[in-house]
Amino acid sequence: ELKVEQNPLFLSMQEGKNYTIYCNYSTTSDRLYWYRQDPGKSLESLFVLLSNGAVKQEGRLMASLDTKARLSTLHITAAVHDLSATYFCAVAEGNKLVFGAGTILRVKS
Amino acid sequence: NAGVTQTPKFRVLKTGQSMTLLCAQDMNHEYMYWYRQDPGMGLRLIHYSVGEGTTAKGEVPDGYNVSRLKKQNFLLGLESAAPSQTSVYFCATGEGIQPQHFGDGTRLSIL
Repeated sequence: ELKVEQNPLFLSMQEGKNYTIYCNYSTTSDRLYWYRQDPGKSLESLFVLLSNGAVKQEGRLMASLDTKARLSTLHITAAVHDLSATYFCAVAEGNKLVFGAGTILRVKS
Repeated sequence: NAGVTQTPKFRVLKTGQSMTLLCAQDMNHEYMYWYRQDPGMGLRLIHYSVGEGTTAKGEVPDGYNVSRLKKQNFLLGLESAAPSQTSVYFCATGEGIQPQHFGDGTRLSIL
């Protein structure tokens, strides 16, 4: 059974700082997805990572995938308040996704 | 969210009551999903469908039933609601295994 673990589960950071969210998973998979959820809202797809070594960037967010280590990272560069949200990773198992518990990110000015 | 509409948005039920949640999409996606979201647990897949007339169980299917009689609609039923089913329910659609578009959610409380 696939397990997906994110850490940290809660992250409070200052504007302008850098930080990384980690997503570990327990079985072999080469498809990983990142989503964002604003408070009280639905989920929005951020990144799709479909192979070992895949790297995707949009604005201050960069996601990468290491399938050998079973690890994906979401790196935040020079955080701004608008990035405050909950971030989920999800890993493919067969024809469905298993989600991590989510990382609540709060960016303080 | 454009394209995926969930009804109702809020509902309070008593234990043992039944209800149906409706998800409607206008994007012609083959895949549709029902998830539940509980604090600290991310999203868990209840049931999904890979096309009209098909359904399959996800991680937490017990206590729920689904139907996909028309491609654009995916219904989630609770036959006898229990307090453990208090949650936020999301419907999603996609062209493959990745849910790409989510509805706004249904907040369901069972007393």
